[in-house]
Amino acid sequence: DTEVTQTPKHLVMGMTNKKSLKCEQHMGHRAMYWYKQKAKKPPELMFVYSYEKLSINESVPSRFSPECPNSSLLNLHLHALQPEDSALYLCASSQAQSGANVLTFGAGSRLTVL
Amino acid sequence: GQSLEQPSEVTAVEGAIVQINCTYQTSGFYGLSWYQQHDGGAPTFLSYNALDGLEETGRFSSFLSRSDSYGYLLLQELQMKDSASYFCAVRYSSASKIIFGSGTRLSIRP
Repeated sequence: DTEVTQTPKHLVMGMTNKKSLKCEQHMGHRAMYWYKQKAKKPPELMFVYSYEKLSINESVPSRFSPECPNSSLLNLHLHALQPEDSALYLCASSQAQSGANVLTFGAGSRLTVL
Repeated sequence: GQSLEQPSEVTAVEGAIVQINCTYQTSGFYGLSWYQQHDGGAPTFLSYNALDGLEETGRFSSFLSRSDSYGYLLLQELQMKDSASYFCAVRYSSASKIIFGSGTRLSIRP
């Protein structure tokens, strides 16, 4: 299995809602990432988990809360989002440490905040 | 800082060769990668350089000069399906921090 699976593909939520984005991989990768991508912009790093521990938080607002329940799963919990948070959220995985040079991306979750 | 610079747009003719350049900040540099992203799709990995020199993968090659903080992606025998955005990405530090360049939109003309 060489895929990263993200659910849902599309999500529409109000500013008071609580929702979660989910990501799963079965490639044995021990690093997992969340990126945010706006239209015609590059992916912007949000969080990195390495061996199930949060290793990088790029000063992301607390309304985004990541969780890594095990080595195959990565969640992004969303609460009290703003319309400007509407974007494509990409999950990626890679080998950890010295192998962290090749990212495998999921298809993304397109989020719209009303 | 950890900024990467690429040309915003490149246009080329089908069958031709095109080079997309990338310059980066050197602090904490671990390696340079290239990704392709079609409209509506996810980025897909193309090539990676950790050391100076040329890496060849089929029609795509990538080059790195660490002394110049510079790399490029070379696409040969261009096909219409190569029309996409191309991103360079630098791994900074051993903590798997991978930052993407601003992206180059490549348009192929018949």
